[in-house]
Amino acid sequence: NAGVTQTPKFQVLKTGQSMTLQCAQDMNHNSMYWYRQDPGMGLRLIYYSASEGTTDKGEVPNGYNVSRLNKREFSLRLESAAPSQTSVYFCASRTIRGPQSNTQYFGPGTRLTVL
Amino acid sequence: AQSVTQLDSHVSVSEGTPVLLRCNYSSSYSPSLFWYVQHPNKGLQLLLKYTSAATLVKGINGFEAEFKKSETSFHLTKPSAHMSDAAEYFCVVSDPASGGYNKLIFGAGTRLAVHP
Repeated sequence: NAGVTQTPKFQVLKTGQSMTLQCAQDMNHNSMYWYRQDPGMGLRLIYYSASEGTTDKGEVPNGYNVSRLNKREFSLRLESAAPSQTSVYFCASRTIRGPQSNTQYFGPGTRLTVL
Repeated sequence: AQSVTQLDSHVSVSEGTPVLLRCNYSSSYSPSLFWYVQHPNKGLQLLLKYTSAATLVKGINGFEAEFKKSETSFHLTKPSAHMSDAAEYFCVVSDPASGGYNKLIFGAGTRLAVHP
């Protein structure tokens, strides 16, 4: 049981390049989330998928797109990277049933630098 | 609107002494509150959570937190710090009136240093 996994762990892009961050969970969770973490600001929600087939904007969605590929996988795409998107990106997941339904579980993060 | 304020950006303690990390929140409804820990270059791990049961919540690794509605606080404590406690700690609130468990609001974090 690997929990939440993210690829890649590190990435360096040039301004204007595109890339997709991958996230997968093996806990049969319904909801999945993408956050970014910047120094001194905690984590901010970019997009989330409350259930398979749905996605919604979070606090900072501009410049990003997401795809809920299936129940396990939720990807984050940067179409034209900008230096302001330099950050650490975290994926999380949550079940919607049972006593753990209030808890999000996080992946190890992807450290992205845009030059 | 809900918000979370972690009152100290850095806390430094000696090994074996008590730890106190302070958190205040604002919420329009009965919130759920969480503390997560992040060790260097790692993801976030849940330490403990309050979801309207007992106001004193015990978590992993000897940490506990007390929900005080009158003070809108959820401070994290540990009686005796260990070197392995050095990490960043996040206080998090979830408000059923605005997104519930889909929209967590994070504090800015408190970096805990533990000295020998």
